[in-house]
Amino acid sequence: AQSVAQPEDQVNVAEGNPLTVKCTYSVSGNPYLFWYVQYPNRGLQFLLKYITGDNLVKGSYGFEAEFNKSQTSFHLKKPSALVSDSALYFCAVRAYGQNFVFGPGTRLSVLP
Amino acid sequence: ETGVTQTPRHLVMGMTNKKSLKCEQHLGHNAMYWYKQSAKKPLELMFVYNFKEQTENNSVPSRFSPECPNSSHLFLHLHTLQPEDSALYLCASSQEQREGLEQYFGPGTRLTVT
Repeated sequence: AQSVAQPEDQVNVAEGNPLTVKCTYSVSGNPYLFWYVQYPNRGLQFLLKYITGDNLVKGSYGFEAEFNKSQTSFHLKKPSALVSDSALYFCAVRAYGQNFVFGPGTRLSVLP
Repeated sequence: ETGVTQTPRHLVMGMTNKKSLKCEQHLGHNAMYWYKQSAKKPLELMFVYNFKEQTENNSVPSRFSPECPNSSHLFLHLHTLQPEDSALYLCASSQEQREGLEQYFGPGTRLTVT
Protein backbone atom coordinates (compact mmCIF):
# COMPACT_ATOMS: atom_id res chain seq x y z
CA ALA A 1 0.00 0.00 0.00
CA GLN A 2 1.11 3.54 -0.68
CA SER A 3 1.19 6.28 1.91
CA VAL A 4 2.44 9.82 2.30
CA ALA A 5 3.29 11.67 5.49
CA GLN A 6 3.76 15.39 5.94
CA PRO A 7 4.93 15.62 9.54
CA GLU A 8 4.24 19.33 9.96
CA ASP A 9 0.72 20.75 9.91
CA GLN A 10 2.10 24.29 9.82
CA VAL A 11 5.39 25.86 8.79
CA ASN A 12 6.17 29.49 9.53
CA VAL A 13 9.07 31.27 7.88
CA ALA A 14 10.14 34.89 7.53
CA GLU A 15 10.11 36.45 4.10
CA GLY A 16 13.49 36.12 2.42
CA ASN A 17 14.49 33.09 4.45
CA PRO A 18 14.79 29.61 2.96
CA LEU A 19 11.83 27.31 3.42
CA THR A 20 11.46 23.54 3.63
CA VAL A 21 8.23 21.56 3.64
CA LYS A 22 8.80 17.92 4.52
CA CYS A 23 7.37 14.81 2.93
CA THR A 24 8.08 11.12 3.44
CA TYR A 25 6.48 8.28 1.56
CA SER A 26 6.00 4.54 1.51
CA VAL A 27 5.48 2.66 -1.73
CA SER A 28 6.29 -0.67 -3.30
CA GLY A 29 8.62 -0.24 -6.22
CA ASN A 30 9.85 2.98 -7.74
CA PRO A 31 7.80 6.01 -6.80
CA TYR A 32 6.54 8.90 -8.81
CA LEU A 33 6.49 11.91 -6.46
CA PHE A 34 4.68 15.21 -6.81
CA TRP A 35 4.16 18.52 -5.05
CA TYR A 36 1.02 20.59 -5.39
CA VAL A 37 0.03 23.97 -3.95
CA GLN A 38 -3.46 25.14 -3.08
CA TYR A 39 -4.45 28.75 -2.59
CA PRO A 40 -7.71 29.65 -0.81
CA ASN A 41 -10.84 28.63 -2.71
CA ARG A 42 -8.80 27.19 -5.55
CA GLY A 43 -7.93 23.73 -6.83
CA LEU A 44 -4.54 22.12 -6.48
CA GLN A 45 -1.82 23.45 -8.78
CA PHE A 46 1.03 21.24 -9.90
CA LEU A 47 4.48 22.49 -8.79
CA LEU A 48 6.97 19.76 -9.67
CA LYS A 49 7.55 16.04 -9.90
CA TYR A 50 10.23 13.39 -9.63
CA ILE A 51 10.06 10.49 -12.07
CA THR A 52 13.63 9.39 -12.53
CA GLY A 53 17.11 10.83 -12.98
CA ASP A 54 18.57 13.75 -11.06
CA ASN A 55 17.51 13.72 -7.42
CA LEU A 56 17.06 17.49 -7.38
CA VAL A 57 14.10 18.62 -9.41
CA LYS A 58 13.15 22.19 -10.14
CA GLY A 59 9.62 23.42 -10.57
CA SER A 60 7.41 26.45 -10.82
CA TYR A 61 7.84 29.71 -8.89
CA GLY A 62 11.40 28.93 -7.82
CA PHE A 63 10.53 25.77 -5.89
CA GLU A 64 12.66 22.67 -5.94
CA ALA A 65 12.55 19.30 -4.25
CA GLU A 66 15.12 16.68 -3.40
CA PHE A 67 14.42 12.99 -3.75
CA ASN A 68 16.21 10.87 -1.18
CA LYS A 69 15.63 7.18 -1.75
CA SER A 70 17.38 5.95 1.38
CA GLN A 71 15.30 8.22 3.60
CA THR A 72 12.16 7.84 1.43
CA SER A 73 11.77 11.60 1.48
CA PHE A 74 10.88 14.27 -1.03
CA HIS A 75 11.20 17.61 0.74
CA LEU A 76 10.08 20.81 -0.96
CA LYS A 77 12.45 23.77 -0.78
CA LYS A 78 12.82 27.36 -1.84
CA PRO A 79 15.92 29.49 -1.24
CA SER A 80 14.04 32.71 -0.47
CA ALA A 81 10.40 32.70 0.62
CA LEU A 82 7.84 35.24 -0.52
CA VAL A 83 4.68 36.30 1.31
CA SER A 84 2.77 35.16 -1.77
CA ASP A 85 4.06 31.59 -1.18
CA SER A 86 1.70 31.31 1.79
CA ALA A 87 -0.65 28.46 0.92
CA LEU A 88 -1.42 24.80 1.55
CA TYR A 89 1.12 22.36 0.12
CA PHE A 90 0.44 18.73 -0.71
CA CYS A 91 2.90 15.97 -1.40
CA ALA A 92 1.65 13.03 -3.49
CA VAL A 93 3.01 9.64 -4.44
CA ARG A 94 2.08 7.24 -7.13
CA ALA A 95 3.40 3.77 -7.83
CA TYR A 96 3.17 2.20 -11.24
CA GLY A 97 -0.40 1.20 -12.01
CA GLN A 98 -1.75 2.74 -8.83
CA ASN A 99 -3.78 5.85 -8.09
CA PHE A 100 -2.38 9.01 -6.59
CA VAL A 101 -2.14 9.18 -2.80
CA PHE A 102 -1.97 12.64 -1.28
CA GLY A 103 -0.51 13.69 2.04
CA PRO A 104 -2.59 15.61 4.58
CA GLY A 105 -1.11 18.95 3.58
CA THR A 106 1.16 21.49 5.25
CA ARG A 107 0.10 25.08 5.69
CA LEU A 108 2.94 27.45 4.91
CA SER A 109 2.85 30.96 6.31
CA VAL A 110 5.48 33.42 5.15
CA LEU A 111 5.65 36.37 7.48
CA PRO A 112 6.62 39.82 6.19
CA GLU B 1 -6.65 26.27 -14.00
CA THR B 2 -8.53 26.87 -17.25
CA GLY B 3 -7.55 23.36 -18.41
CA VAL B 4 -10.13 21.86 -16.07
CA THR B 5 -13.33 23.73 -15.34
CA GLN B 6 -15.99 23.00 -12.75
CA THR B 7 -19.49 24.35 -12.33
CA PRO B 8 -21.02 25.56 -10.19
CA ARG B 9 -18.28 27.01 -8.00
CA HIS B 10 -20.61 27.20 -5.00
CA LEU B 11 -23.71 25.17 -4.21
CA VAL B 12 -26.05 25.21 -1.25
CA MET B 13 -28.61 22.43 -1.14
CA GLY B 14 -31.05 20.90 1.26
CA MET B 15 -30.91 17.28 2.24
CA THR B 16 -33.85 16.39 -0.01
CA ASN B 17 -32.59 18.16 -3.12
CA LYS B 18 -31.06 16.66 -6.23
CA LYS B 19 -28.23 18.50 -7.89
CA SER B 20 -25.31 17.77 -10.19
CA LEU B 21 -21.72 18.94 -10.32
CA LYS B 22 -20.09 19.27 -13.72
CA CYS B 23 -16.46 18.99 -14.73
CA GLU B 24 -14.92 19.53 -18.15
CA GLN B 25 -11.31 19.06 -19.16
CA HIS B 26 -9.79 20.73 -22.22
CA LEU B 27 -6.45 18.91 -22.09
CA GLY B 28 -7.14 15.84 -24.20
CA HIS B 29 -6.70 13.56 -21.21
CA ASN B 30 -8.26 10.11 -20.96
CA ALA B 31 -8.79 9.78 -17.21
CA MET B 32 -10.88 11.86 -14.84
CA TYR B 33 -11.29 11.83 -11.07
CA TRP B 34 -13.54 13.10 -8.31
CA TYR B 35 -12.00 13.99 -4.96
CA LYS B 36 -13.56 15.21 -1.73
CA GLN B 37 -11.66 17.73 0.37
CA SER B 38 -12.97 18.29 3.88
CA ALA B 39 -11.50 20.56 6.50
CA LYS B 40 -8.67 18.96 8.47
CA LYS B 41 -8.86 15.70 6.49
CA PRO B 42 -6.68 14.33 3.68
CA LEU B 43 -7.87 14.51 0.13
CA GLU B 44 -10.23 11.57 -0.47
CA LEU B 45 -10.37 9.89 -3.87
CA MET B 46 -14.00 9.11 -4.69
CA PHE B 47 -14.18 7.91 -8.28
CA VAL B 48 -11.85 7.23 -11.18
CA TYR B 49 -12.81 7.02 -14.83
CA ASN B 50 -10.30 5.69 -17.32
CA PHE B 51 -11.30 5.84 -20.98
CA LYS B 52 -14.87 6.58 -19.79
CA GLU B 53 -15.01 3.38 -17.74
CA GLN B 54 -15.26 3.58 -13.98
CA THR B 55 -12.22 1.87 -12.55
CA GLU B 56 -12.43 2.93 -8.94
CA ASN B 57 -15.17 3.53 -6.41
CA ASN B 58 -13.68 4.11 -3.01
CA SER B 59 -16.63 2.91 -0.92
CA VAL B 60 -18.54 6.08 -1.70
CA PRO B 61 -22.17 6.18 -0.50
CA SER B 62 -24.78 5.66 -3.18
CA ARG B 63 -26.13 9.17 -2.67
CA PHE B 64 -23.16 10.18 -4.86
CA SER B 65 -23.54 8.95 -8.43
CA PRO B 66 -20.89 9.66 -11.07
CA GLU B 67 -21.38 9.84 -14.79
CA CYS B 68 -18.77 10.09 -17.54
CA PRO B 69 -20.44 10.44 -20.95
CA ASN B 70 -17.14 11.04 -22.76
CA SER B 71 -13.49 11.55 -21.95
CA SER B 72 -13.91 15.32 -21.58
CA HIS B 73 -16.90 15.49 -19.24
CA LEU B 74 -17.54 14.18 -15.77
CA PHE B 75 -20.59 14.66 -13.58
CA LEU B 76 -21.34 13.97 -9.94
CA HIS B 77 -25.04 13.57 -9.27
CA LEU B 78 -26.09 14.31 -5.71
CA HIS B 79 -29.26 13.29 -3.91
CA THR B 80 -30.41 13.10 -0.29
CA LEU B 81 -27.09 14.32 0.99
CA GLN B 82 -26.14 14.69 4.64
CA PRO B 83 -24.60 17.73 6.35
CA GLU B 84 -21.30 15.84 6.68
CA ASP B 85 -21.12 15.81 2.87
CA SER B 86 -20.40 19.53 2.93
CA ALA B 87 -16.93 19.90 1.44
CA LEU B 88 -14.93 21.09 -1.54
CA TYR B 89 -15.36 18.68 -4.44
CA LEU B 90 -12.44 18.64 -6.81
CA CYS B 91 -12.27 17.22 -10.30
CA ALA B 92 -8.96 16.25 -11.88
CA SER B 93 -7.74 14.74 -15.13
CA SER B 94 -4.59 13.02 -16.35
CA GLN B 95 -3.20 11.11 -19.31
CA GLU B 96 -3.12 7.51 -18.20
CA GLN B 97 -1.23 5.97 -21.08
CA ARG B 98 1.95 7.48 -19.74
CA GLU B 99 2.99 6.86 -16.17
CA GLY B 100 4.37 9.66 -14.14
CA LEU B 101 2.18 12.35 -15.58
CA GLU B 102 0.62 14.69 -13.09
CA GLN B 103 -3.04 15.30 -12.48
CA TYR B 104 -4.55 18.65 -13.30
CA PHE B 105 -7.22 19.96 -10.99
CA GLY B 106 -10.23 22.18 -11.45
CA PRO B 107 -11.02 25.00 -9.02
CA GLY B 108 -13.56 22.90 -7.14
CA THR B 109 -17.20 23.21 -6.14
CA ARG B 110 -17.81 24.33 -2.57
CA LEU B 111 -20.85 22.33 -1.45
CA THR B 112 -22.89 23.18 1.63
CA VAL B 113 -25.65 20.82 2.70
CA THR B 114 -28.21 22.40 5.00
